[in-house]
Amino acid sequence: GNSVTQMEGPVTLSEEAFLTINCTYTATGYPSLFWYVQYPGEGLQLLLKATKADDKGSNKGFEATYRKETTSFHLEKGSVQVSDSAVYFCALRVYTGTASKLTFGTGTRLQVTL
Amino acid sequence: ETGVTQTPRHLVMGMTNKKSLKCEQHLGHNAMYWYKQSAKKPLELMFVYNFKEQTENNSVPSRFSPECPNSSHLFLHLHTLQPEDSALYLCASSQDRGGGTEAFFGQGTRLTVV
Repeated sequence: GNSVTQMEGPVTLSEEAFLTINCTYTATGYPSLFWYVQYPGEGLQLLLKATKADDKGSNKGFEATYRKETTSFHLEKGSVQVSDSAVYFCALRVYTGTASKLTFGTGTRLQVTL
Repeated sequence: ETGVTQTPRHLVMGMTNKKSLKCEQHLGHNAMYWYKQSAKKPLELMFVYNFKEQTENNSVPSRFSPECPNSSHLFLHLHTLQPEDSALYLCASSQDRGGGTEAFFGQGTRLTVV
Protein backbone atom coordinates (compact mmCIF):
# COMPACT_ATOMS: atom_id res chain seq x y z
CA GLY A 1 0.00 0.00 0.00
CA ASN A 2 0.86 3.68 -0.01
CA SER A 3 2.28 5.49 2.99
CA VAL A 4 4.04 8.71 3.93
CA THR A 5 6.43 9.16 6.83
CA GLN A 6 7.24 12.60 8.21
CA MET A 7 9.60 13.66 10.93
CA GLU A 8 8.07 14.04 14.36
CA GLY A 9 7.44 17.54 15.55
CA PRO A 10 7.19 20.05 16.88
CA VAL A 11 10.02 21.85 15.15
CA THR A 12 10.95 25.09 16.88
CA LEU A 13 13.14 27.61 15.05
CA SER A 14 14.15 31.20 15.42
CA GLU A 15 13.14 33.64 12.72
CA GLU A 16 15.49 33.55 9.70
CA ALA A 17 16.69 30.03 10.49
CA PHE A 18 16.91 27.33 7.82
CA LEU A 19 14.09 24.81 7.74
CA THR A 20 14.08 21.17 6.69
CA ILE A 21 11.13 18.86 7.23
CA ASN A 22 11.84 15.32 6.10
CA CYS A 23 9.35 13.24 4.17
CA THR A 24 9.75 9.76 2.73
CA TYR A 25 7.18 7.61 1.01
CA THR A 26 6.29 4.17 -0.23
CA ALA A 27 3.92 3.77 -3.13
CA THR A 28 2.57 1.22 -5.55
CA GLY A 29 2.80 2.92 -8.90
CA TYR A 30 4.21 6.30 -9.78
CA PRO A 31 3.04 8.93 -7.32
CA SER A 32 2.70 12.67 -7.44
CA LEU A 33 3.93 14.36 -4.28
CA PHE A 34 2.53 17.32 -2.38
CA TRP A 35 3.14 19.52 0.61
CA TYR A 36 0.10 21.03 2.28
CA VAL A 37 0.07 23.61 5.07
CA GLN A 38 -2.55 24.10 7.76
CA TYR A 39 -2.67 27.37 9.66
CA PRO A 40 -4.45 27.46 13.04
CA GLY A 41 -8.22 27.12 12.68
CA GLU A 42 -8.03 26.54 8.94
CA GLY A 43 -8.25 23.72 6.45
CA LEU A 44 -5.34 22.46 4.38
CA GLN A 45 -3.84 24.57 1.61
CA LEU A 46 -1.59 23.29 -1.14
CA LEU A 47 1.91 24.67 -0.68
CA LEU A 48 3.73 22.97 -3.57
CA LYS A 49 3.78 19.83 -5.64
CA ALA A 50 5.92 17.71 -7.96
CA THR A 51 4.61 15.18 -10.42
CA LYS A 52 7.72 13.34 -11.63
CA ALA A 53 11.22 12.42 -10.54
CA ASP A 54 13.68 15.32 -10.20
CA ASP A 55 10.90 17.91 -10.38
CA LYS A 56 11.27 20.74 -7.89
CA GLY A 57 8.15 22.31 -6.47
CA SER A 58 8.44 25.80 -5.03
CA ASN A 59 6.19 28.43 -3.53
CA LYS A 60 6.56 31.30 -1.02
CA GLY A 61 10.25 30.51 -0.52
CA PHE A 62 9.59 26.83 0.20
CA GLU A 63 11.10 24.12 -2.02
CA ALA A 64 10.98 20.36 -2.30
CA THR A 65 12.58 18.04 -4.85
CA TYR A 66 11.08 14.70 -5.91
CA ARG A 67 13.85 12.15 -5.30
CA LYS A 68 12.83 8.80 -6.68
CA GLU A 69 16.10 7.08 -5.76
CA THR A 70 15.63 7.90 -2.07
CA THR A 71 11.81 8.02 -2.17
CA SER A 72 11.92 11.40 -0.50
CA PHE A 73 10.35 14.84 -0.82
CA HIS A 74 11.93 16.97 1.90
CA LEU A 75 10.59 20.48 2.46
CA GLU A 76 13.11 23.32 2.81
CA LYS A 77 13.09 27.06 3.32
CA GLY A 78 16.17 29.22 3.63
CA SER A 79 14.81 31.76 6.09
CA VAL A 80 11.63 31.13 8.06
CA GLN A 81 9.30 33.81 9.37
CA VAL A 82 6.95 33.84 12.35
CA SER A 83 4.07 33.73 9.86
CA ASP A 84 5.28 30.30 8.69
CA SER A 85 4.19 28.77 11.99
CA ALA A 86 1.73 26.06 11.00
CA VAL A 87 1.37 22.31 10.53
CA TYR A 88 2.93 20.90 7.35
CA PHE A 89 1.67 17.72 5.71
CA CYS A 90 3.46 15.66 3.11
CA ALA A 91 1.16 13.67 0.82
CA LEU A 92 1.18 11.45 -2.21
CA ARG A 93 -1.31 10.48 -4.84
CA VAL A 94 -1.32 7.62 -7.31
CA TYR A 95 -3.83 7.98 -10.10
CA THR A 96 -5.75 4.75 -10.73
CA GLY A 97 -8.27 5.93 -13.29
CA THR A 98 -10.96 6.77 -10.75
CA ALA A 99 -11.07 9.38 -8.01
CA SER A 100 -7.63 8.92 -6.54
CA LYS A 101 -7.16 9.71 -2.88
CA LEU A 102 -4.37 11.58 -1.19
CA THR A 103 -2.36 9.67 1.40
CA PHE A 104 -1.06 11.99 4.10
CA GLY A 105 1.72 11.90 6.63
CA THR A 106 0.99 12.67 10.26
CA GLY A 107 1.96 16.33 9.91
CA THR A 108 4.84 18.31 11.42
CA ARG A 109 4.13 21.35 13.54
CA LEU A 110 6.50 24.27 12.96
CA GLN A 111 6.82 27.00 15.56
CA VAL A 112 8.90 30.04 14.61
CA THR A 113 9.88 32.49 17.33
CA LEU A 114 11.37 35.98 17.23
CA GLU B 1 -10.57 31.11 -0.04
CA THR B 2 -10.11 27.80 -1.84
CA GLY B 3 -13.49 27.53 -3.54
CA VAL B 4 -14.67 24.83 -1.14
CA THR B 5 -17.11 26.01 1.53
CA GLN B 6 -18.09 24.02 4.60
CA THR B 7 -20.92 24.77 6.99
CA PRO B 8 -21.21 25.03 9.87
CA ARG B 9 -17.69 25.94 11.02
CA HIS B 10 -18.40 24.73 14.53
CA LEU B 11 -20.95 22.23 15.82
CA VAL B 12 -21.70 20.92 19.29
CA MET B 13 -24.11 18.01 19.46
CA GLY B 14 -25.36 15.51 21.97
CA MET B 15 -24.99 11.79 21.44
CA THR B 16 -28.68 11.40 20.60
CA ASN B 17 -28.84 14.29 18.13
CA LYS B 18 -29.00 14.16 14.35
CA LYS B 19 -27.11 16.81 12.42
CA SER B 20 -25.62 17.27 8.97
CA LEU B 21 -22.42 18.80 7.68
CA LYS B 22 -22.51 20.51 4.32
CA CYS B 23 -19.81 21.00 1.72
CA GLU B 24 -20.12 22.98 -1.49
CA GLN B 25 -17.66 23.55 -4.32
CA HIS B 26 -18.03 25.70 -7.40
CA LEU B 27 -14.76 24.71 -9.01
CA GLY B 28 -16.31 22.31 -11.51
CA HIS B 29 -14.57 19.36 -9.89
CA ASN B 30 -15.79 15.81 -10.37
CA ALA B 31 -14.57 14.27 -7.12
CA MET B 32 -15.34 15.09 -3.50
CA TYR B 33 -13.98 13.69 -0.25
CA TRP B 34 -14.61 13.63 3.49
CA TYR B 35 -11.61 13.47 5.81
CA LYS B 36 -11.49 13.27 9.60
CA GLN B 37 -8.70 15.04 11.46
CA SER B 38 -8.22 14.08 15.09
CA ALA B 39 -5.54 15.36 17.42
CA LYS B 40 -2.22 13.53 17.08
CA LYS B 41 -3.52 11.19 14.35
CA PRO B 42 -3.03 11.22 10.59
CA LEU B 43 -5.80 12.53 8.39
CA GLU B 44 -8.27 9.73 7.85
CA LEU B 45 -10.03 9.45 4.52
CA MET B 46 -13.68 8.58 5.15
CA PHE B 47 -15.50 8.70 1.83
CA VAL B 48 -14.80 9.41 -1.83
CA TYR B 49 -17.35 10.39 -4.45
CA ASN B 50 -16.61 10.53 -8.15
CA PHE B 51 -19.33 11.95 -10.41
CA LYS B 52 -21.81 11.56 -7.51
CA GLU B 53 -21.02 7.86 -7.09
CA GLN B 54 -19.40 6.65 -3.92
CA THR B 55 -16.14 4.98 -4.86
CA GLU B 56 -14.62 4.48 -1.44
CA ASN B 57 -15.82 3.93 2.11
CA ASN B 58 -12.95 3.38 4.48
CA SER B 59 -14.76 1.20 7.01
CA VAL B 60 -16.55 4.18 8.46
CA PRO B 61 -19.18 3.41 11.13
CA SER B 62 -22.78 3.61 9.95
CA ARG B 63 -23.48 6.52 12.29
CA PHE B 64 -21.79 8.58 9.55
CA SER B 65 -23.87 8.65 6.38
CA PRO B 66 -22.66 10.57 3.32
CA GLU B 67 -24.85 11.99 0.58
CA CYS B 68 -23.79 13.47 -2.74
CA PRO B 69 -26.82 14.80 -4.64
CA ASN B 70 -24.70 16.38 -7.36
CA SER B 71 -21.08 17.03 -8.18
CA SER B 72 -21.08 20.36 -6.33
CA HIS B 73 -22.54 19.30 -3.00
CA LEU B 74 -21.58 16.77 -0.39
CA PHE B 75 -23.23 16.11 2.95
CA LEU B 76 -22.26 14.10 6.00
CA HIS B 77 -25.26 13.08 8.08
CA LEU B 78 -24.51 12.36 11.71
CA HIS B 79 -26.56 10.41 14.23
CA THR B 80 -25.95 8.80 17.61
CA LEU B 81 -22.32 9.87 17.62
CA GLN B 82 -19.80 9.08 20.34
CA PRO B 83 -17.46 11.50 22.14
CA GLU B 84 -14.50 10.00 20.26
CA ASP B 85 -16.07 11.27 17.04
CA SER B 86 -15.16 14.80 18.10
CA ALA B 87 -12.74 16.06 15.46
CA LEU B 88 -12.24 18.44 12.58
CA TYR B 89 -14.10 17.18 9.52
CA LEU B 90 -12.60 18.34 6.25
CA CYS B 91 -14.18 18.29 2.84
CA ALA B 92 -12.08 18.38 -0.31
CA SER B 93 -12.63 18.32 -4.05
CA SER B 94 -10.50 17.65 -7.09
CA GLN B 95 -10.73 17.35 -10.84
CA ASP B 96 -9.40 13.90 -11.47
CA ARG B 97 -7.43 14.18 -14.66
CA GLY B 98 -4.41 12.44 -13.26
CA GLY B 99 -2.34 11.95 -10.17
CA GLY B 100 -0.84 15.43 -10.30
CA THR B 101 -4.08 17.27 -9.77
CA GLU B 102 -4.28 18.56 -6.24
CA ALA B 103 -7.22 18.51 -3.89
CA PHE B 104 -8.73 21.73 -2.59
CA PHE B 105 -9.87 21.72 1.02
CA GLY B 106 -12.56 23.57 2.87
CA GLN B 107 -11.89 25.18 6.24
CA GLY B 108 -13.48 22.29 8.08
CA THR B 109 -16.21 21.79 10.63
CA ARG B 110 -15.04 21.50 14.21
CA LEU B 111 -17.38 18.92 15.75
CA THR B 112 -17.71 18.37 19.47
CA VAL B 113 -19.86 15.49 20.73
CA VAL B 114 -21.01 15.86 24.32
